[in-house]
Amino acid sequence: DVKVTQSSRYLVKRTGEKVFLECVQDMDHENMFWYRQDPGLGLRLIYFSYDVKMKEKGDIPEGYSVSREKKERFSLILESASTNQTSMYLCASSPTGAYNQPQHFGDGTRLSIL
Amino acid sequence: AQSVSQHNHHVILSEAASLELGCNYSYGGTVNLFWYVQYPGQHLQLLLKYFSGDPLVKGIKGFEAEFIKSKFSFNLRKPSVQWSDTAEYFCAVAGSQGNLIFGKGTKLSVKP
Repeated sequence: DVKVTQSSRYLVKRTGEKVFLECVQDMDHENMFWYRQDPGLGLRLIYFSYDVKMKEKGDIPEGYSVSREKKERFSLILESASTNQTSMYLCASSPTGAYNQPQHFGDGTRLSIL
Repeated sequence: AQSVSQHNHHVILSEAASLELGCNYSYGGTVNLFWYVQYPGQHLQLLLKYFSGDPLVKGIKGFEAEFIKSKFSFNLRKPSVQWSDTAEYFCAVAGSQGNLIFGKGTKLSVKP
């Protein structure tokens, strides 16, 4: 069974800090995704990656960056955290050519920016 | 751009009631459609998916969905809900880049 592991379930940081959210998958999937989930807004795509060192902007990339140095790991970086980035962050992965393959999700990181 | 609309923000039902959650998508070409469920405190899980063929798709836990191309709809149904179905349900369509485009979700509360 696919396992997507996010490094923290809960995280509290301060405004202006640089924040790293880590995600690791164990199924050798090429595609990895970062979403944020907010009440009433559903899931919105921040960034995704098709392969190592490749990244694509999603719908709401402002204030975020990503890093994919190894196939199994996809990091989301908040360059200078702000209170409007308080949210639930979800990582997902899927195999390549995956128009019809479901994504597998991690448990999420609930991030609070104070 | 593709989009997904879920009509109900919060649905409250009693056990054994029938469920139908609405989902409409905007794209007119070939679509790949999904329903995901998120139980309280758990990760998103796939309920069912539609790619082609029989428009009536059966998923896990007694859920099914019907793809109606003429209505751009992919509604989720269950004949008799249980308290354990309390969760948030998300409809999604596959984007052109392998990403998923989600609706805003519908919270289902089932009263015992």
